Amino acid sequence: DAKTTQPNSMESNEEEPVHLPCNHSTISGTDYIHWYRQLPSQGPEYVIHGLTSNVNNRMASLAIAEDRKSSTLILHRATLRDAAVYYCILIPQRGGGSEKLVFGKGTKLTVNP
Amino acid sequence: EPEVTQTPSHQVTQMGQEVILRCVPISNHLYFYWYRQILGQKVEFLVSFYNNEISEKSEIFDDQFSVERPDGSNFTLKIRSTKLEDSAMYFCASNPLRGPTDTQYFGPGTRLTVL
Repeated sequence: DAKTTQPNSMESNEEEPVHLPCNHSTISGTDYIHWYRQLPSQGPEYVIHGLTSNVNNRMASLAIAEDRKSSTLILHRATLRDAAVYYCILIPQRGGGSEKLVFGKGTKLTVNP
Repeated sequence: EPEVTQTPSHQVTQMGQEVILRCVPISNHLYFYWYRQILGQKVEFLVSFYNNEISEKSEIFDDQFSVERPDGSNFTLKIRSTKLEDSAMYFCASNPLRGPTDTQYFGPGTRLTVL
């Protein structure tokens, strides 16, 4: 399983943007980059995913480096509800590997009021 | 919005007892999973299930564990003889299709406490 590296923790103030980095220098050309988050005492929750191009959805934006060796999850205006552990996970294309999610330690985001 | 549900929310059992954790995946989903998270540790994959059979299992998923889809809606995880180290949050997940663009939807979890 391709490995990702994330900072253990980050802190932000409410209503400010947050940029959560992820390094995946051994990513293969067919790996998709997924982000999940886990709010306190809850199950993981999908946030966003991408392959090569930057992606936006109602929750966040995903910026993918041109060489795909890193990506950044962007929360445009952090709220207290965004306080969670954020996981960057690589998922291979069909036939290229397992369908399971391999969670690392993730980045614990603290949002200050 | 459809969601994955799990029961019970908290299960307390004595070491050596059998427990069954229940999940109701989202109705049109085809792939089902169990993960666990020991307190303070990472979320770990246990098993995936498709077309009424296990498609992959981890080293954690030994002979003490089994999964079943007894009807069209429930998906269960059985631990035959619980150990203290089985104490953890157990999460069920489902997704509609297998593939790298597919989202896994997680339930709220069952906290298993083995005494």
